[in-house]
Amino acid sequence: DTGVSQDPRHKITKRGQNVTFRCDPISEHNRLYWYRQTLGQGPEFLTYFQNEAQLEKSRLLSDRFSAERPKGSFSTLEIQRTEQGDSAMYLCASSLDGTGTQYFGAGTRLSVL
Amino acid sequence: AQKITQTQPGMFVQEKEAVTLDCTYDTSDQSYGLFWYKQPSSGEMIFLIYQGSYDEQNATEGRYSLNFQKARKSANLVISASQLGDSAMYFCAMREGRDSSYKLIFGSGTRLLVRP
Repeated sequence: DTGVSQDPRHKITKRGQNVTFRCDPISEHNRLYWYRQTLGQGPEFLTYFQNEAQLEKSRLLSDRFSAERPKGSFSTLEIQRTEQGDSAMYLCASSLDGTGTQYFGAGTRLSVL
Repeated sequence: AQKITQTQPGMFVQEKEAVTLDCTYDTSDQSYGLFWYKQPSSGEMIFLIYQGSYDEQNATEGRYSLNFQKARKSANLVISASQLGDSAMYFCAMREGRDSSYKLIFGSGTRLLVRP
């Protein structure tokens, strides 16, 4: 079991560009979560998937954000027309089911210049 | 109102001593879960320990124990015999049973520094 992996670990982009992050959950985990963490704060929920279905999105997830989990395996989080306020750590977590412990990846740190 | 409150932005502890990190929570649910995660400078959130609201005994995992006081709505983390590698951010989190997403709600964290 290799744990949750996220790619890339770091991303520097210019304002207005699109970026995409990938998360590979622990195999057989059917729940996948995305969180955002800004400096000095705890992570905040963005969205989650049960298998391939996206079941809830936070109000933090503006229209510029989209997430997918095709075939219920890996997930991608895309941010279009990035803004400086999008600079944060984006964390992915997976759990076996709803009541299972969430295990996190190392995160993708995004810097928007 | 904040659902998870961690009132200690930073803590120091001498190596080999024990340290308690405070966490209070607010929920009207009868069923909920409380978690502690460790976040080193590398960024990964590492699961440490879990306490269910119906668990009668305090959770323990190696050098970590959770001092669960339900009436006070507190879930403090106790680290015994601190090691230099324990230096990190520590986050308390809650999962509410009535929320079918089972998303975690985090506190703002406590930075722990272990002195040699």
